[in-house]
Amino acid sequence: DQQVKQNSPSLSVQEGRISILNCDYTNSMFDYFLWYKKYPAEGPTFLISISSIKDKNEDGRFTVFLNKSAKHLSLHIVPSQPGDSAVYFCAASVDSGGSNYKLTFGKGTLLTVNP
Amino acid sequence: SQTIHQWPATLVQPVGSPLSLECTVEGTSNPNLYWYRQAAGRGLQLLFYSVGIGQISSEVPQNLSASRPQDRQFILSSKKLLLSDSGFYLCAWSAFSGQPQHFGDGTRLSIL
Repeated sequence: DQQVKQNSPSLSVQEGRISILNCDYTNSMFDYFLWYKKYPAEGPTFLISISSIKDKNEDGRFTVFLNKSAKHLSLHIVPSQPGDSAVYFCAASVDSGGSNYKLTFGKGTLLTVNP
Repeated sequence: SQTIHQWPATLVQPVGSPLSLECTVEGTSNPNLYWYRQAAGRGLQLLFYSVGIGQISSEVPQNLSASRPQDRQFILSSKKLLLSDSGFYLCAWSAFSGQPQHFGDGTRLSIL
């Protein structure tokens, strides 16, 4: 049972436009969500996170939106740059007693930003 | 700043051979440490995590084991590799609260 789903395996956008990556989850106990970016032959790099007490978190060109009722989150990249081309993973965790160790990952979405 | 080192980057092993992958973290004390695997076409799956020396929690029953002999050292081992052990293995660390986790560059393991 896949608890974190990224239904689009790939996405292609033009440089300067907005990239929107989507993620759905099924476990209502998830209360902390993260986005990672991964280049080939490298490990994932943490991008941005959001707690379930918020519905939006922004860091520079990256904004994550959380819709708890829909069990949906999205990552917006504005403006998109060719260097953003990578695989993006959505991940979620459950806070148990103030610590949350287990990350459940989606399968990733390959973003290609065309010059 | 904190850094995480993982080696080797690639490894080709025959079925039935042993395995030892090592991961070390610098620039922090008492980190939480994690081993993940990404099989072909799958997301990252947590295999083991450790909150302290000698403390190992296993998430998935399998042919692998983990050990933490020192505060910032995490080792993934197997006595006899199976074909199904092929994949991309990632080590990660986090502060005590658990998140976010920061990953090494991984080891691509191929079993022949």
